[in-house]
Amino acid sequence: QVQLVQSGAEVQKPGASVKVSCKASGYIFTGYYMHWVRQAPGQGLEWMGRINPNSGVTKYSEKFQGSVTMTRDTSVTTAYMELTRLTSDDTAVYYCARVFGGGWQQLGVGFDYWGQGTLVTVSS
Amino acid sequence: DIQLTQSPSSLSASVGDRVTITCRASQGISTYLAWYQQKPGKAPKLLIYAASTLQNGVPSRFSGSGSGTEFTLTISSLQPEDFATYYCQQLNSPRFTFGPGTKVDIK
Repeated sequence: QVQLVQSGAEVQKPGASVKVSCKASGYIFTGYYMHWVRQAPGQGLEWMGRINPNSGVTKYSEKFQGSVTMTRDTSVTTAYMELTRLTSDDTAVYYCARVFGGGWQQLGVGFDYWGQGTLVTVSS
Repeated sequence: DIQLTQSPSSLSASVGDRVTITCRASQGISTYLAWYQQKPGKAPKLLIYAASTLQNGVPSRFSGSGSGTEFTLTISSLQPEDFATYYCQQLNSPRFTFGPGTKVDIK
């Protein structure tokens, strides 16, 4: 069965960086784009970007351009999301999610599997 | 980026009610729209993709319609487990976006 298992909660200081992992299993890791979505406390879902696990090519939300880096290690079927220069506004739950299907430019039609979420708290 | 709005932002309803949520896009997105349900402390769950296709395992009381810039999610007879927040998402551009959400609670 498909599973996305994320790393544990993190507490970081302002100005620091955080790297969240997302271990995929139960499917061909390189066959599906992986996306990252965050949700601040009491707020809605915010799309951060995606990575093509096959090629490593990424596309980021303009909001996170320059502060986020998404990578993957196909040998351990794991995707990573690193966020730098953290501020209190980055306190949120971060999710990885797999997209499936064809869709516009073959980018997918929906996020069918999600990780359990990783709470990142930024506090001095 | 393509912007999505949802209406209403929240609603109160009773078990058995018919509920309709609207999602509007700032430009045409064909039918590249998905709907998600999220309960507190849980990851979102995909309900509908391609505007009207029900995801496997999702009850048939959920349905979606629309194309272009206006879409609707309908719950034909609200059940106790349907009280949650619902989000639309567009997948018609290099950068995906979500709507702000609609919270459905108990009247």
